[in-house]
Amino acid sequence: GIQVEQSPPDLILQEGANSTLRCNFSDSVNNLQWFHQNPWGQLINLFYIPSGTKQNGRLSATTVATERYSLLYISSSQTTDSGVYFCAVPPVGTSGSRLTFGEGTQLTVNP
Amino acid sequence: EAEVAQSPRYKITEKSQAVAFWCDPISGHATLYWYRQILGQGPELLVQFQDESVVDDSQLPKDRFSAERLKGVDSTLKIQPAELGDSAMYLCASSLAGNTEAFFGQGTRLTVV
Repeated sequence: GIQVEQSPPDLILQEGANSTLRCNFSDSVNNLQWFHQNPWGQLINLFYIPSGTKQNGRLSATTVATERYSLLYISSSQTTDSGVYFCAVPPVGTSGSRLTFGEGTQLTVNP
Repeated sequence: EAEVAQSPRYKITEKSQAVAFWCDPISGHATLYWYRQILGQGPELLVQFQDESVVDDSQLPKDRFSAERLKGVDSTLKIQPAELGDSAMYLCASSLAGNTEAFFGQGTRLTVV
C-alpha cells in the first residue's frame, strides 16, 4: 500500500515563529488532507488539498502531486497551535478509500 | 455546524469484557469509517461502510471485533472479549462519498485493565 512519511517528527518553536511541515507519499494520490489533533484527541480538518495551494488565516498548504509531497506552513505560531499534525491520503484505483496517515509531527509552541 | 457524534468519550473496561462504541455521522454522509489510533501513531482503518454495506474490513480483527450500520446511518463497533492490547483511541469519521473529505468525531478513548 501507499507509504506516507512526515517530517520533522518533533518541532519546538517560540511563539511568533514560522514553520514548515512536510508530507511525502509513495504513490499517486487524488486527494490529501491535513489534520491537527488537539490535546483531547480530536482530529480537526485543516485542508483538503489534492493539488495547488490553499490558505486559511495563518496556515497555508501546498500539494505538488506530480512530485508526491505536500507542505503545511504555519506563520506567527501561537501556543494554541501545539499538538500533532497529520497528513493523510487515500489509495487510487481501489474500491475502498481508507486514509493512510503519516506518523505525524508533534509541534510544541512555547510562550 | 454539523459534526460526527461519538459516545462514550471515555471507557474503562476489564479484559475479557465486552465493550461497544457508537457513532452518528454527519447527516447525508454515505461513507462511514472506524479507525483505531494507538498512542504515538497515526490512525489506522478498521472498517469502512458505504451506506449499510461493508466496503473494507481487511484490517478488522474479526475474531473479536464486529461493526454494523444497519440502516445506513449510525454505527456500532463492538469488541468481545476486550484484550489489554485494545487500549487505544477509537475514531469514527464520515464523508459524503468515498474519496471525498473526511470529518472525524471526538473519539472514544478505551482503556482495558
